[in-house]
Amino acid sequence: GAGVSQSPRYKVAKRGQDVALRCDPISGHVSLFWYQQALGQGPEFLTYFQNEAQLDKSGLPSDRFFAERPEGSVSTLKIQRTQQEDSAVYLCASSLDPASPGTGELFFGEGSRLTVL
Amino acid sequence: EDQVTQSPEALRLQEGESSSLNCSYTVSGLRGLFWYRQDPGKGPEFLFTLYSAGEEKEKERLKATLTKKESFLHITAPKPEDSATYLCAVLKYNNNDMRFGAGTRLTVKP
Repeated sequence: GAGVSQSPRYKVAKRGQDVALRCDPISGHVSLFWYQQALGQGPEFLTYFQNEAQLDKSGLPSDRFFAERPEGSVSTLKIQRTQQEDSAVYLCASSLDPASPGTGELFFGEGSRLTVL
Repeated sequence: EDQVTQSPEALRLQEGESSSLNCSYTVSGLRGLFWYRQDPGKGPEFLFTLYSAGEEKEKERLKATLTKKESFLHITAPKPEDSATYLCAVLKYNNNDMRFGAGTRLTVKP
């Protein structure tokens, strides 16, 4: 596709349920990032992949959060036993340049809005 | 502790009324400072990267500048379509964690 595609766009989960959020990056993009954005705040870094390798997961808030990119393209962010504080927009971004954390030129998807009741 | 602070939180301008948005940062070992635009319900859209103090970048009505402590996004003769939230972010060396500020919500009235 022309841009980064995320699904679902909206997800409502009951507390304790597991959720999976999908990201289809721009074809050929090497770098992939996940961010969490609370209402009225800037995005916060969760994790970074270069191809299939997860190079940085320092931003994942707990061991309930897990991300994978097994074939170096599509990525899934999984949240187990969701809590109300997990409610946020989850943004995926990709970049062609493997040095892209440094260039800053990331292409963001529209995000998946998660609401935990 | 590394911090990125944007001001003002919100700014209302009349069409054609130029102004500046501020991003102040305290980061040891700055690798780059980035500006993004975010429309409601959308992901951020990349605008500029600045690497060193004194550097300037321009795009249409926008100009970004960088000093050792802050960056400014100057908007010249804004139009209603410039209404959006403008985010700045910083990146440290040996780090993949692009740290964003909370943004400035700009509204340009016709």
